[in-house]
Amino acid sequence: GESVGLHLPTLSVQEGDNSIINCAYSNSASDYFIWYKQESGKGPQFIIDIRSNMDKRQGQRVTVLLNKTVKHLSLQIAATQPGDSAVYFCAEKDSSASKIIFGSGTRLSIRP
Amino acid sequence: DAGVIQSPRHEVTEMGQEVTLRCKPISGHNSLFWYRQTMMRGLELLIYFNNNVPIDDSGMPEDRFSAKMPNASFSTLKIQPSEPRDSAVYFCASGRGGAGYTFGSGTRLTVV
Repeated sequence: GESVGLHLPTLSVQEGDNSIINCAYSNSASDYFIWYKQESGKGPQFIIDIRSNMDKRQGQRVTVLLNKTVKHLSLQIAATQPGDSAVYFCAEKDSSASKIIFGSGTRLSIRP
Repeated sequence: DAGVIQSPRHEVTEMGQEVTLRCKPISGHNSLFWYRQTMMRGLELLIYFNNNVPIDDSGMPEDRFSAKMPNASFSTLKIQPSEPRDSAVYFCASGRGGAGYTFGSGTRLTVV
């Protein structure tokens, strides 16, 4: 397989606070990045994407930051809500192919 | 738009039996992906198609696994013979133009 998930890091956040989920990638040829949210018993759901010619993109309550120099991607969720509880995956696509490779995921837990 | 449709949602089968998982991609999408998700290995890309043609099957674990896409609206993933270690959730995803990949709800396979 092309992604490994032996240990799932967990981020615990107080409801209403901002969440920041980080992801490191290794392929310098990756030119497209996506964040997915996966709730229990469901398939990954698209949240936001960014292309390599950008370093920031904003959506509704979410912001993705891309640092190509250090191959780092982050997802910021503003005013975290109970419904944000899920596992979040970053995914990358190589410029030469259509396939998307997933990272190992981070579990976001919300404290009331 | 009904999204990516997978069937069955759950499959329990005995070791040695043939298993066929089915996927209907979103109309107009020209890329289709099969992923497998387990606790140990996370989300692994098994195979993907562009315009119904298999492009990369390097993620297919063994010859027991095969996938077909006879037309733009249907794909199958077959395991023959199945083994207990094949137990996982299998996801199908489709996309267009190298972006916006959408996942189905998955098939939870249990091989006993």
